[in-house]
Amino acid sequence: EDKVVQSPLSLVVHEGDTVTLNCSYEVTNFRSLLWYKQEKKAPTFLFMLTSSGIEKKSGRLSSILDKKELSSILNITATQTGDSAIYLCAVLNTGNQFYFGTGTSLTVIP
Amino acid sequence: KAGVTQTPRYLIKTRGQQVTLSCSPISGHRSVSWYQQTPGQGLQFLFEYFSETQRNKGNFPGRFSGRQFSNSRSEMNVSTLELGDSALYLCASSIEPTDTEAFFGQGTRLTVV
Repeated sequence: EDKVVQSPLSLVVHEGDTVTLNCSYEVTNFRSLLWYKQEKKAPTFLFMLTSSGIEKKSGRLSSILDKKELSSILNITATQTGDSAIYLCAVLNTGNQFYFGTGTSLTVIP
Repeated sequence: KAGVTQTPRYLIKTRGQQVTLSCSPISGHRSVSWYQQTPGQGLQFLFEYFSETQRNKGNFPGRFSGRQFSNSRSEMNVSTLELGDSALYLCASSIEPTDTEAFFGQGTRLTVV
């Protein structure tokens, strides 16, 4: 059964801390892995990763894919209260079907 | 440019009823996907439509169906509602099915009582 597992389920940190969120997957016919940030309702796209070892970076956020280990990490440095959200990891297969993890709930306290 | 619009935003139905949710994609986007989000199961893929054709379907019973119109707007229908259908239903649009950057709407919160 195809699945995506994220850890930890929830995380509480102080502003300025660095966090690492994990995503592991077992999906046949892997095509790409995507990270989303969900605040309130609509998830917003962060990164799409297709190749191993290449880091995608956007400001304080970065992500890398390890296809050998079937996993990805999302790093957030110098966290801010605005980073509080649920971070979703999704894997897209070659049949254009998405498999989502249940998300990591991040709370950043001042 | 307007984003993905879902209507209604909130809905309360009773068991056994049916419901239709609507999704208007971003102008120029032709692919629409539907997802169900519940606290216990997370975000689950329902189906994807492109050019009025269902391209992919997730693992949901036949009570869940959808369609797409020629203007790319999509509707999702759930018949014979069950309590477990209470969830946030999200739709996402993208330019093409292979365009993996999908933009989500705000969702429709369905409560079945």
